[in-house]
Amino acid sequence: KNQVEQSPQSLIILEGKNCTLQCNYTVSPFSNLRWYKQDTGRGPVSLTIMTFSENTKSNGRYTATLDADTKQSSLHITASQLSDSASYICVVTLDQAGTALIFGKGTTLSVSS
Amino acid sequence: GAVVSQHPSWVICKSGTSVKIECRSLDFQATTMFWYRQFPKQSLMLMATSNEGSKATYEQGVEKDKFLINHASLTLSTLTVTSAHPEDSSFYICSAYGQGGNYGYTFGSGTRLTVV
Repeated sequence: KNQVEQSPQSLIILEGKNCTLQCNYTVSPFSNLRWYKQDTGRGPVSLTIMTFSENTKSNGRYTATLDADTKQSSLHITASQLSDSASYICVVTLDQAGTALIFGKGTTLSVSS
Repeated sequence: GAVVSQHPSWVICKSGTSVKIECRSLDFQATTMFWYRQFPKQSLMLMATSNEGSKATYEQGVEKDKFLINHASLTLSTLTVTSAHPEDSSFYICSAYGQGGNYGYTFGSGTRLTVV
């Protein structure tokens, strides 16, 4: 069964600290993996997209890693800011056409001062 | 980058009325558009997939006669919630997939529907 599992479900950290979010998937075939940030009441915004051959990709303070062998991905946030408070969603695409996506349930991150 | 505009961002309507939500790809042609529904603190749930010029494909459990989807052009898809009821109150999000190697998958900003 195609599934995307994210952990932790929620996380609270202090401003300025780093954190890492996890995504494990059992999806086949695999086309690419995406991390999105969703602010409350807004649509998801793409952070990174990685294909099978990519191990890491950065977008500012966000760095995503992908291990296609173990089917694991992580999103590392460096020097967190209050504005990083959001839900982070891992999405795996099954096909090249990009029309079959499996969503994780997201990790809710709260950054406090 | 790819931009998807969704309107309105929020709407309040009376029970029994219909509401139309628009989703536009502003700088690319969207061959496929998707409509999602999201309840508080829940993941996005795919409602339907629409391809330009053809009928939408609805997910199991989604009433096609209640949630009318039109994808008349490569840049516009609409979702009409017909005879809305309070249980239809939710956050509706569209997304678009473009041609030409754009494997980015762009979401609209969402529409908060409240039926009173």
